[in-house]
Amino acid sequence: AQTVTQSQPEMSVQEAETVTLSCTYDTSESNYYLFWYKQPPSRQMILVIRQEAYKQQNATENRFSVNFQKAAKSFSLKISDSQLGDTAMYFCAFMGETSGSRLTFGEGTQLTVNP
Amino acid sequence: KAGVTQTPRYLIKTRGQQVTLSCSPISGHRSVSWYQQTPGQGLQFLFEYFSETQRNKGNFPGRFSGRQFSNSRSEMNVSTLELGDSALYLCASSLWGHWWGNTIYFGEGSWLTVV
Repeated sequence: AQTVTQSQPEMSVQEAETVTLSCTYDTSESNYYLFWYKQPPSRQMILVIRQEAYKQQNATENRFSVNFQKAAKSFSLKISDSQLGDTAMYFCAFMGETSGSRLTFGEGTQLTVNP
Repeated sequence: KAGVTQTPRYLIKTRGQQVTLSCSPISGHRSVSWYQQTPGQGLQFLFEYFSETQRNKGNFPGRFSGRQFSNSRSEMNVSTLELGDSALYLCASSLWGHWWGNTIYFGEGSWLTVV
């Protein structure tokens, strides 16, 4: 079974600054995907970014980028030019081939962007 | 394009009762999955339906069941409610019918309180 660990329960950042959220995972699978989702106070889970394990290039979506270190089983999220609307709970998630489309989530990191 | 729609958004039930939650996936999406979110257990996968068939299941008791209709809409039922079933229930859909690798899009959830 795979596990996903987010070791930072809470983080804060000043508006316009950069912040990095950490995620590590443990799996014996060779084919998998990794995701970051954000959950604002409305509680809807919103996809932030997706990374295919077989791709060496780190995924990027506008101000959001990841640092995917496959050997270290690390998948951190960098948010540049933080905005007040980025305040949310951020979840790292794993999807392995043997588990189908089931997502395994980490515990989450509450990010607060301060004005 | 409308997102994943869940109804009802909020409900309160009494211990021992049963409840049915409804989910309409994004138009064109054929796979629907359900997750339970609680403060103690975090986000946990309940089950996934594709083409009216359950093809993946999490570790929940048989009191939790679901179904999918020919129009891809899904319902989730919990019988003999327990206090511990109080949670946010999130429905998600994905476009592809692949066993894995699908990008999962979530609804806003249904808040269930059991008293």
